[in-house]
Amino acid sequence: GIQVEQSPPDLILQEGANSTLRCNFSDSVNNLQWFHQNPWGQLINLFYIPSGTKQNGRLSATTVATERYSLLYISSSQTTDSGVYFCAVTMTTDSWGKFQFGAGTQVVVTP
Amino acid sequence: GAGVSQSPSNKVTEKGKDVELRCDPISGHTALYWYRQSLGQGLEFLIYFQGNSAPDKSGLPSDRFSAERTGGSVSTLTIQRTQQEDSAVYLCASSLWGLVSYNEQFFGPGTRLTVL
Repeated sequence: GIQVEQSPPDLILQEGANSTLRCNFSDSVNNLQWFHQNPWGQLINLFYIPSGTKQNGRLSATTVATERYSLLYISSSQTTDSGVYFCAVTMTTDSWGKFQFGAGTQVVVTP
Repeated sequence: GAGVSQSPSNKVTEKGKDVELRCDPISGHTALYWYRQSLGQGLEFLIYFQGNSAPDKSGLPSDRFSAERTGGSVSTLTIQRTQQEDSAVYLCASSLWGLVSYNEQFFGPGTRLTVL
């Protein structure tokens, strides 16, 4: 079955809106990262967050490891936030470096 | 170097030919990973190397795929007898493995492989 599930699969936002992206995972995790893949295909690190809460500018993330989910918050969205957002995890039932990616959330921010 | 580099950036080959893709990790990073991303899809784990340990090859899709890492640095992913379904972007990442509970990956720009 699906081990890393992201929702929603697609999101259309107007510039200035806020949004929440979710990543559910089926087992305890050792590592968890959020990435933004820009329209040119480059994967950009957003957060390394196997637990707790972090903030970086308009973005923040929270991982509740005991409940097996992570949330990525985008506030005051801008057109440059468009792209695909991925979460990636390694699970304690697997080898330390075997990252599994979710299918991603495609975000489109319109002016 | 400043980041992970990959070469070539684009590769077009004919079905049945062998190809080699190269990855140069961030200097000092001991772990190196290969992924495949088909058009419009997520990333598929292929293999990772960590120091002198045996690599985890569990994601390689067939025995036509192999990878090696020389001197704990540069890695080459080789695909033999390429098939059209091998067409994808191949992404490499590295991480500074070794700190307790820390394994943040950094990605290169990828190699776009097209098999005709």
